[in-house]
Amino acid sequence: ETGVTQTPRHLVMGMTNKKSLKCEQHLGHNAMYWYKQSAKKPLELMFVYSLEERVENNSVPSRFSPECPNSSHLFLHLHTLQPEDSALYLCASSQDLLAGFTDTQYFGPGTRLTVL
Amino acid sequence: AQSVAQPEDQVNVAEGNPLTVKCTYSVSGNPYLFWYVQYPNRGLQFLLKYITGDNLVKGSYGFEAEFNKSQTSFHLKKPSALVSDSALYFCAVRDDTGFQKLVFGTGTRLLVSP
Repeated sequence: ETGVTQTPRHLVMGMTNKKSLKCEQHLGHNAMYWYKQSAKKPLELMFVYSLEERVENNSVPSRFSPECPNSSHLFLHLHTLQPEDSALYLCASSQDLLAGFTDTQYFGPGTRLTVL
Repeated sequence: AQSVAQPEDQVNVAEGNPLTVKCTYSVSGNPYLFWYVQYPNRGLQFLLKYITGDNLVKGSYGFEAEFNKSQTSFHLKKPSALVSDSALYFCAVRDDTGFQKLVFGTGTRLLVSP
């Protein structure tokens, strides 16, 4: 596979469930991102990892827990979510945060999450 | 803080006609601007970016964008629209603080009719 892949593509969970979203990039990039996309709202940056170290945690509730075991994989662990957390969760990667202004992000297809 | 505005929620155009999707920006320093497209049930796909140089930037799928510093705009254009261009288009600007994250607009839905 090429590019950025995400699994599962769709997820329905109850408020008491625990689930995980997975992202994998095949581009040899050093930085990975989680975004939340809700209808009629700008994309919300949630977390950023550079070389497996978290560099940004954008005031995200603790019920979202990221994990980056290596530069190719990124997870988002979910527990005790709320219905308002229902959204499209997008993963992205980019070559290197140190590239600065020219660094371009490439996105996966997203996971459509529904919290009942 | 950097920001972008996409003043139109939706743009309608007939196939074969030229299309424009508008974006204006607000920055404190030099602008670094991006366009992405999102097809149904897909993630965002990178179209083009302006970093420096020519004001007309050419990108993927026949799209181009015109950077206008005096009007603080970065409009996306295509000379002849295709039905398959129907999608959601996002403009973004690079933040100038921290690790220079992307700040996205709210998106414009383009609908190309046959």
